[in-house]
Amino acid sequence: GAGVSQSPSNKVTEKGKDVELRCDPISGHTALYWYRQSLGQGLEFLIYFQGNSAPDKSGLPSDRFSAERTGGSVSTLTIQRTQQEDSAVYLCASSLRPGGAFYNEQFFGPGTRLTVL
Amino acid sequence: GDSVTQMEGPVTLSEEAFLTINCTYTATGYPSLFWYVQYPGEGLQLLLKATKADDKGSNKGFEATYRKETTSFHLEKGSVQVSDSAVYFCASGGGYNKLIFGAGTRLAVHP
Repeated sequence: GAGVSQSPSNKVTEKGKDVELRCDPISGHTALYWYRQSLGQGLEFLIYFQGNSAPDKSGLPSDRFSAERTGGSVSTLTIQRTQQEDSAVYLCASSLRPGGAFYNEQFFGPGTRLTVL
Repeated sequence: GDSVTQMEGPVTLSEEAFLTINCTYTATGYPSLFWYVQYPGEGLQLLLKATKADDKGSNKGFEATYRKETTSFHLEKGSVQVSDSAVYFCASGGGYNKLIFGAGTRLAVHP
C-alpha cells in the first residue's frame, strides 16, 4: 500500500475484555515499531520487530501486552484483560531497515484510538 | 535512561512571528535527533533530523542544530504561518532506532 495502515481506527471496549490491534506496514519495510500516545505518558515506545522477531520488547508495560508479526509484514498488538489506563492511541511505524549507523525514516500509521470503559 | 525534554505548550503566536521550541536530551553517546510534527487530524510525520553534532536539519522553513555541548536541538522558524499550527515532538534515536519522544508542544498560529 501507499503507507502504513492500522485497524480499527477506533475501538471501544469494556474493562476486562481482550483487544487486538492490527498494523500493515509499507511493503518491503523490515523494521516495525509500536508506540503508544496517551495523555499521562506522552508518546512512548512499546516494541520493535525486525522481520518476525522482536529483539526489543522493553516498552511493553505489562504481561497483558503482547505482539506478533507474521510473514515479515502484518503485526498484531494484543492487550488482554484491558484496564482503563490502557486507553490511548496506539501508533505503528515501519522503516526500510533496522537500526545501525544510518537512520532510516520511520513512517507512521494513523493510529488506533482505544477507549476502555 | 535516555530521555527528551521539550518546552511545554501551548505556544500561541501571530502569523509571521519567530518561533523557538526548546528541546534537550540525555543519552549515552550521540544519538540522532529528530523533530516530528502532527497536524490536526493527521498522522505523525518527520519534519527534520540531524545525525551528528553540529549538523543542521531543515525543512519547510524550520531549522534545528544538533548542539553536543548543550545537549540541545531547538526548533526555529523565522516566520510562522497559520498552516504551521500543529503539535511538535522532539525525539532522539535509541537502540534499534526506536524513537524516544518529548512530551510534545502544541503551536497555535493566529492570523
